[in-house]
Amino acid sequence: EPEVTQTPSHQVTQMGQEVILRCVPISNHLYFYWYRQILGQKVEFLVSFYNNEISEKSEIFDDQFSVERPDGSNFTLKIRSTKLEDSAMYFCASSRTYLTSDEQFFGPGTRLTVL
Amino acid sequence: AQKVTQAQTEISVVEKEDVTLDCVYETRDTTYYLFWYKQPPSGELVFLIRRNSFDEQNEISGRYSWNFQKSTSSFNFTITASQVVDSAVYFCALSEALQGAQKLVFGQGTRLTINP
Repeated sequence: EPEVTQTPSHQVTQMGQEVILRCVPISNHLYFYWYRQILGQKVEFLVSFYNNEISEKSEIFDDQFSVERPDGSNFTLKIRSTKLEDSAMYFCASSRTYLTSDEQFFGPGTRLTVL
Repeated sequence: AQKVTQAQTEISVVEKEDVTLDCVYETRDTTYYLFWYKQPPSGELVFLIRRNSFDEQNEISGRYSWNFQKSTSSFNFTITASQVVDSAVYFCALSEALQGAQKLVFGQGTRLTINP
């Protein structure tokens, strides 16, 4: 069964460093998403991406964040200068279309720790 | 705006007891989807169920059952004869249709502890 994969599973970085979190969505999916979960809190939407453009973003997704589909398979989330409060679990998801009738499939997550 | 409320922050029961996790939602959409996810200590989100707003039939899957009541905007989840392996954080979520996009809105989660 096709699945969304994410690498690395755990990333530790120093405050101020840039990090790139990687995701491989399901191959025939066209819409991609990032969600964030700060430890002990709920899962929050960050951004949706389609056709090499951001289609929707939350207020959390500020200028420190960027997303990219650098090739035909990967979807990345970059944090330019990490802060302590960026420590969280980051989930990637993908769906075939933007319609809510098409389910989002989640990856296993990347746990980011900023020291 | 869409909102999901899981009023129970933590629940602790003894193994074999039945337990119900509450979920209340708010939405302006006429068609929407409701979800339950399980998050074990390892951190991944394990999909449990997806429900269409037009389908109000209750669903049972083994020891799990879901009660969808559109009239009260609730989508409650019951575990029958709970087991220690059911210990996890459970999230209820609601789909939100955006302009050319979609997103899931999650509740705060309920931490369920099943004691032997």
